[in-house]
Amino acid sequence: SQELEQSPQSLIVQEGKNLTINCTSSKTLYGLYWYKQKYGEGLIFLMMLQKGGEEKSHEKITAKLDEKKQQSSLHITASQPSHAGIYLCGADWAQKLVFGQGTRLTINP
Amino acid sequence: GAVVSQHPSWVICKSGTSVKIECRSLDFQATTMFWYRQFPKQSLMLMATSNEGSKATYEQGVEKDKFLINHASLTLSTLTVTSAHPEDSSFYICSAVARDRGLGQYFGPGTRLTVT
Repeated sequence: SQELEQSPQSLIVQEGKNLTINCTSSKTLYGLYWYKQKYGEGLIFLMMLQKGGEEKSHEKITAKLDEKKQQSSLHITASQPSHAGIYLCGADWAQKLVFGQGTRLTINP
Repeated sequence: GAVVSQHPSWVICKSGTSVKIECRSLDFQATTMFWYRQFPKQSLMLMATSNEGSKATYEQGVEKDKFLINHASLTLSTLTVTSAHPEDSSFYICSAVARDRGLGQYFGPGTRLTVT
């Protein structure tokens, strides 16, 4: 079973629209990472969250970690074609990074 | 930022042969490196944890005799796919933990392996 569940698995939005990707864990998240990837390429680090209730933003991307530290969301405002790709959440457990199954984001013009 | 390189970036080999992939931390020392595999349209799956100077720790279901990992120095880990088969074709990504920069992981650009 997947320790980290991402939803949705696939998302198609129109350019300019907002969107949210969720990452849910069955265990407490002591370090939650968000990465972006285009398949066949490396990972681009987006943000890391550690504290319950923490929220970080970079440009049009905001990531939050809930108070219970078992769920995180990634929100993109006014999406652009450059946001297209695969978004992965990763959890730091026992000094290993375990990933969710990824969310494939497509931005339609 | 910390830089991790992988070599080669892509490789094609014949079934039954072995291929070695290198992962290097260019501007920091990495006590631990991780090897991931990614199949098309799937997420990254951790294969093994490589610690400098000791044997690698493999995840369940990963054959250690097939995927040989050697972490010879604080800046280099290698993954050798032995007796490769077409089902080993995948995208392999390494990451390194920077000892002097907390426990953040830095990822390499990946290596695409195609076994014919």
